Amino acid sequence: AQKITQTQPGMFVQEKEAVTLDCTYDTSDPSYGLFWYKQPSSGEMIFLIYQGSYDQQNATEGRYSLNFQKARKSANLVISASQLGDSAMYFCAMRHGGTSYGKLTFGQGTILTVHP
Amino acid sequence: NAGVMQNPRHLVRRRGQEARLRCSPMKGHSHVYWYRQLPEEGLKFMVYLQKENIIDESGMPKERFSAEFPKEGPSILRIQQVVRGDSAAYFCASSPRAVQETQYFGPGTRLLVL
Repeated sequence: AQKITQTQPGMFVQEKEAVTLDCTYDTSDPSYGLFWYKQPSSGEMIFLIYQGSYDQQNATEGRYSLNFQKARKSANLVISASQLGDSAMYFCAMRHGGTSYGKLTFGQGTILTVHP
Repeated sequence: NAGVMQNPRHLVRRRGQEARLRCSPMKGHSHVYWYRQLPEEGLKFMVYLQKENIIDESGMPKERFSAEFPKEGPSILRIQQVVRGDSAAYFCASSPRAVQETQYFGPGTRLLVL
């Protein structure tokens, strides 16, 4: 069965520093996608970054980058130059392949707090 | 290009009443997904629909819950005879195609069952 694990319930980082949020996954599908979403206290889900299982390069979107290590089944999110507005819950998610394609499985989330 | 729209944003129901949650996908998106987020938890998949078809309802409770995405109009998630355990945030997401496409989420509907 597909599974996403985020082992860090909470993380703290100083403003302007970088932070890594961990995500490991388990799937037997050769084709899958990995996503990171941000959920601020207002509650909406904001898409941050996507990595396909066949992508050769690590994905980057502005200050966000995804450290994709396929052999280790990890897809960690790196936020560079943290800002106070980055304080939020962050979810890692996996899009399934095969007959369950389309649906996302989410991890438990990591609460990030950025200190001034 | 407007994002995914959900209404109402907040819904209060008494036990035994019906809850109807609406979702209008982004323009050009024909795939809709519903997820539920219980307090302090991640999102859990409920159902995946295309226009007039339910593709995957493996995450939907067998009783009281139903979903539709008609040819015209928004997708509807219906919960009949609500119970306190149905209190949660219900998110709708849409994508242009299922595979290799990002799902964009609406703001969610917060359902509170008294």
